[in-house]
Amino acid sequence: QVQLVQSGAEVKMPGASVMVSCKVSGYAFTGFYIHWIRQAPGQGLEWVGWMNPNTGGTNYAQEFEGRVTMTRDTSISTAYMDLSRLTSDDTAVYYCARAFGRSSPDYWGQGTLVTVSS
Amino acid sequence: ETVLTQSPGTLSLSPGERATLSCRASQSVTNVYLAWYQQKPGRAPRLVIFDTSRRATGIPDRFSGSGSGTDFTLTISRLEPEDSAVYYCQQFETSPLTFGGGTKVQIK
Repeated sequence: QVQLVQSGAEVKMPGASVMVSCKVSGYAFTGFYIHWIRQAPGQGLEWVGWMNPNTGGTNYAQEFEGRVTMTRDTSISTAYMDLSRLTSDDTAVYYCARAFGRSSPDYWGQGTLVTVSS
Repeated sequence: ETVLTQSPGTLSLSPGERATLSCRASQSVTNVYLAWYQQKPGRAPRLVIFDTSRRATGIPDRFSGSGSGTDFTLTISRLEPEDSAVYYCQQFETSPLTFGGGTKVQIK
């Protein structure tokens, strides 16, 4: 069965960086885009960007440009999201989700809570 | 950016009643690029409807989607207690991909 399993919760200081991983199984990793979406406590969903695991190509939401980097390791079917220069506004649950080309993300990871606090 | 506005913010209905959720886009969205998600507390969103009206795998037929252009609707024909959740619409025709603010469905 399709699964996306994310890394565990993180606590970071303001100004630091965080890397969240998303290991997939049950399907061909390079056949589906990986989206990253976040949700601040008690808030709605906010798209961060997508990566094409086949080519490494990316598309980031403008507000994250320059701070986010999405990469992958195809040998272990894992996608990564690195977010730098963290502030308290980055405190959120970060989800990875797969999508077939330009289609709605269908399977999602369980989420990773990133807390930014001094 | 395509802004999606959902209404109402909260819907409180009894089991067996019909729920109608609205999603209005700030610019026209092609049908194949509109989806709906269900999210329960502490859980990841779950795809309910894609391509405006197609049910995702495992979604019961009491869920249906419709609409075109800038106005889209998710209907739950006969509410069940397990339908209690927040529902989000989403468009991915234009970048950035955007979500509506959500409609909370409460079962009395």
